Amino acid sequence: AAGVIQSPRHLIKEKRETATLKCYPIPRHDTVYWYQQGPGQDPQFLISFYEKMQSDKGSIPDRFSAQQFSDYHSELNMSSLELGDSALYFCASSLGRGEGYEQYFGPGTRLTVT
Amino acid sequence: GIQVEQSPPDLILQEGANSTLRCNFSDSVNNLQWFHQNPWGQLINLFYIPSGTKQNGRLSATTVATERYSLLYISSSQTTDSGVYFCAVNKAAGNKLTFGGGTRVLVKP
Repeated sequence: AAGVIQSPRHLIKEKRETATLKCYPIPRHDTVYWYQQGPGQDPQFLISFYEKMQSDKGSIPDRFSAQQFSDYHSELNMSSLELGDSALYFCASSLGRGEGYEQYFGPGTRLTVT
Repeated sequence: GIQVEQSPPDLILQEGANSTLRCNFSDSVNNLQWFHQNPWGQLINLFYIPSGTKQNGRLSATTVATERYSLLYISSSQTTDSGVYFCAVNKAAGNKLTFGGGTRVLVKP
């Protein structure tokens, strides 16, 4: 079965650089979520989109922005990178919006900021 | 926001042993999922279980929504079961998941 695809899988950037993470949801899934997992921590919700509109927002820094495109893929743009942005970034997708729909996670993008 | 607590934080098992992991949550939820994060960092869906009991091979889970807890059972553990097990819930519309702190499991051969 098709899964959530994330690219790149690994990314190394220097401080103050920018990064773009991409997410391709499971076919027919219309809701995309982004999570950030720091070393030794649990995943924290950043932002979500339903039908190309932002549907919820968590603790996402102002330096980050995201969008969902017409083909439902999503991109997370990160600017002025800081050492603390080093983390595993997950994208998840689900079918439908609202309470009670199972989320499926991609393999993650490991971002290292030096 | 909703609080999710998992216990124990760490668990060391001998291969072949059985174990129970617990997830407590502070409010009523509409979705509860169990994940296994393997040593490579991948989050694997184990169960979608807002209520009731489910089984998948050596793993099973039970959620008692009225008492706000869920249990994950691992039977006849194998070294490949090592990793971190997360419980995650959502309550509010928009469906963002709130994760517990995880249980780190190490299965020794």
